[in-house]
Amino acid sequence: GQNIDQPTEMTATEGAIVQINCTYQTSGFNGLFWYQQHAGEAPTFLSYNVLDGLEEKGRFSSFLSRSKGYSYLLLKELQMKDSASYLCASNNAGNMLTFGGGTRLMVKP
Amino acid sequence: NAGVMQNPRHLVRRRGQEARLRCSPMKGHSHVYWYRQLPEEGLKFMVYLQKENIIDESGMPKERFSAEFPKEGPSILRIQQVVRGDSAAYFCASSPGGVGEQYFGPGTRLTVT
Repeated sequence: GQNIDQPTEMTATEGAIVQINCTYQTSGFNGLFWYQQHAGEAPTFLSYNVLDGLEEKGRFSSFLSRSKGYSYLLLKELQMKDSASYLCASNNAGNMLTFGGGTRLMVKP
Repeated sequence: NAGVMQNPRHLVRRRGQEARLRCSPMKGHSHVYWYRQLPEEGLKFMVYLQKENIIDESGMPKERFSAEFPKEGPSILRIQQVVRGDSAAYFCASSPGGVGEQYFGPGTRLTVT
């Protein structure tokens, strides 16, 4: 079966760095997505990792280790607007996304 | 280039009624996916469609739920005889091909009273 695990909630301070971890056990793995979702809104794309390693995009970076079934999303220079849920999703055979429960990040001043 | 469009944004139905949710994919996208998000939970895959074809409906409840993506017009997710447990946000996503990033619409929030 498919299983995605990520912490339910995290709290961090404005200006700091936070790392959100995700572990997955899926079949037919095609890559790992991270989406951001503000309350009551649609998920918006942040990153897509297919190969092992770190992908950097501005303040956000994402890492993947396929052998360990592990990914993380790194957010630097946190801003208040980064308070949101961060969804880890594996892309499986047939292109369906299997989502974790999401990590609710609260950024405090 | 307009994004994925869904309507209605909010839908209220009484138990036993039918709900019809519409999704227009991004221009040039022929792959459509429906996901359901229950309150305080993650998104769950329901169905994957291409024009006139259901590719994968493994996440769709066997009864009362159906989906289509006709040659012309939007994709439709239809829920017959709604029950309170159907209250959720239903998101549609589209992609240009069968692999890679999926772009999400704003969702339809269904409330069953």
